[in-house]
Amino acid sequence: AQKVTQAQTEISVVEKEDVTLDCVYETRDTTYYLFWYKQPPSGELVFLIRRNSFDEQNEISGRYSWNFQKSTSSFNFTITASQVVDSAVYFCALSEKPYGQNFVFGPGTRLSVLP
Amino acid sequence: SQTIHQWPATLVQPVGSPLSLECTVEGTSNPNLYWYRQAAGRGLQLLFYSIGIDQISSEVPQNLSASRPQDRQFILSSKKLLLSDSGFYLCAWSGVDSNYGYTFGSGTRLTVV
Repeated sequence: AQKVTQAQTEISVVEKEDVTLDCVYETRDTTYYLFWYKQPPSGELVFLIRRNSFDEQNEISGRYSWNFQKSTSSFNFTITASQVVDSAVYFCALSEKPYGQNFVFGPGTRLSVLP
Repeated sequence: SQTIHQWPATLVQPVGSPLSLECTVEGTSNPNLYWYRQAAGRGLQLLFYSIGIDQISSEVPQNLSASRPQDRQFILSSKKLLLSDSGFYLCAWSGVDSNYGYTFGSGTRLTVV
C-alpha cells in the first residue's frame, strides 16, 4: 500500500532562515509521481511541484528547492531565506498516475515564519 | 484553460438541516472529480471520487453522499447534517489535461451549529 509520512507536524522559523520539510513515502510501484502542495490560510491548495520516479534531479525554483532521493524514499522540500508569506500547511503527496488519480496525501506540515 | 469553481465559500447550517455543495469544472472533458474534507488542524480525507457521470466511489462511510449529474458537475449532499460534518470541503479534478495532478477548488468552510 502507498503511504506518505511527514514527520514534522509543525515548524517555526524566523524570517530569512532556511527550512526543510521532510517527506518519506512508501510504494511498491516502480513508476510513481510525487507532489508538493501549499495550503495558505485562505485554504485553497496550491500546486508546487510534480516529480516522476525516473527523474532524480533536484529542482530549484526561486527560493524553493526539492531533493528527491529514491534510495531513502524521500522527497524533501527546502525554502531558502524564508518569508512570512511562506507560512502555510505543506502537503506531500504520492500517486501512481501522472495526473494524480488515487492520490495519497501526507498529514501535512504547518510552517510558521515569524517576522 | 481549465478552471474549477466551488461554492459557497462559507456556510453555517443547523444540525439536521440538508446540505448541497456544488463544484463545476470548465475547459476539460471527462475529468476525474473528488471531494475531500479537512477537519480543523487535520489532513485531507478523501470522501468521494468519480471517474464519470453517475460513477461515484465512496471512500468512507458517512452521513454524506455525492452525485455527478453532468460530466463536469460534482455535488456533495447530506439529508441531515451532524455536528461532526463541520470542516473544510475541497473539490478537485484531475485528468489528461491536468499536467500537475490535482487542481483544487477554493473550498467551502462548513460550520454545523
